[in-house]
Amino acid sequence: ELKVEQNPLFLSMQEGKNYTIYCNYSTTSDRLYWYRQDPGKSLESLFVLLSNGAVKQEGRLMASLDTKARLSTLHITAAVHDLSATYFCAVVPNSGYALNFGKGTSLLVTP
Amino acid sequence: EPEVTQTPSHQVTQMGQEVILRCVPISNHLYFYWYRQILGQKVEFLVSFYNNEISEKSEIFDDQFSVERPDGSNFTLKIRSTKLEDSAMYFCATSGSEKGELFFGEGSRLTVL
Repeated sequence: ELKVEQNPLFLSMQEGKNYTIYCNYSTTSDRLYWYRQDPGKSLESLFVLLSNGAVKQEGRLMASLDTKARLSTLHITAAVHDLSATYFCAVVPNSGYALNFGKGTSLLVTP
Repeated sequence: EPEVTQTPSHQVTQMGQEVILRCVPISNHLYFYWYRQILGQKVEFLVSFYNNEISEKSEIFDDQFSVERPDGSNFTLKIRSTKLEDSAMYFCATSGSEKGELFFGEGSRLTVL
């Protein structure tokens, strides 16, 4: 069974600080996605990472993928309140089609 | 901006009733998926659909569930006899390519009483 583990699951951080969310997975995959979900809302695509060493940045968020370590990171730089949301990583195994989601990281950015 | 549209946004039904959830994909997308999210939990894969057939399904997608694309545009998820534990948000997602970005709809909240 494919496992996708995120940590931390809950994160409270102050505005202006930096932090990293980690996503480990247990199968061979070169497709990893990061999504944002606001309460009661749908999933907003943040990043699609398709190769080892891929790094993508959008605003205060940067995502990277290490397929050999089966690890992706989502780095938050100088957090602002608007980033408060739940962040999911999701992995597609090379043998399949399904996105397998982690449990999500609930991020709260406080003044 | 193209988007995935789902109806209804919320449906309340009695246990044992049939429910059909509908999804209108982004127009040139060919890969379709249903996911569900029980309140406060992670998103779970149900089924993927391509070229008018199921390409993969999860253990959750048992004989009570079915999918079809009846008219070439809508993509539907049918639950034949709903159970209490089917209460969840159901998300449709579509993609333009096998390994492309998935775009999610706003979801259909199903409440089974």
